[in-house]
Amino acid sequence: DVKVTQSSRYLVKRTGEKVFLECVQDMDHENMFWYRQDPGLGLRLIYFSYDVKMKEKGDIPEGYSVSREKKERFSLILESASTNQTSMYLCASVGGGIPGNTIYFGEGSWLTVV
Amino acid sequence: DQQVKQNSPSLSVQEGRISILNCDYTNSMFDYFLWYKKYPAEGPTFLISISSIKDKNEDGRFTVFLNKSAKHLSLHIVPSQPGDSAVYFCAASVYNFNKFYFGSGTKLNVKP
Repeated sequence: DVKVTQSSRYLVKRTGEKVFLECVQDMDHENMFWYRQDPGLGLRLIYFSYDVKMKEKGDIPEGYSVSREKKERFSLILESASTNQTSMYLCASVGGGIPGNTIYFGEGSWLTVV
Repeated sequence: DQQVKQNSPSLSVQEGRISILNCDYTNSMFDYFLWYKKYPAEGPTFLISISSIKDKNEDGRFTVFLNKSAKHLSLHIVPSQPGDSAVYFCAASVYNFNKFYFGSGTKLNVKP
């Protein structure tokens, strides 16, 4: 089974702190994604990566950056956390080159910024 | 502007009856659609998918219908069970480009 692992399930950070959210997938997928989920807004794409060291902005990249140094690992970075970044963050991955692939999600990371 | 819309934020259904969840999309390039189920504090899990060459796909109690001309898809759950209570997201993508667009979700409550 595909496994997408998010290292931190629950975090509480202070405003202005730098926050790292780590995600690892074990299926050699080319594409990885970071979403945030907020009530009434569904899943919004922050960033995605289709290869090592490659990244593309999603719909809401402001205040975030990402890093993909290895194929299996995709990190989301909040450079200076703010209270409006309190949310559930979801990492996902999908294989490339095969039409109709299914996207697999991690368990989610609940971030509270105080 | 949202390209995938779920206009019903919530739905309540009696156990044993049919649940129908709806989803509309605006981008005519989308040709692959998926439904995900999400419990609180967990990641979404894949439920069922359909490509645009079909208008119906079934998997057990779950059936997805696609109406391309109306840019509309629906998920039917028959019979509904209390364990189906969750938030359901529809998603769309272009078949061979793996970027997915999600709706805002519909919270289904199946009452015993």
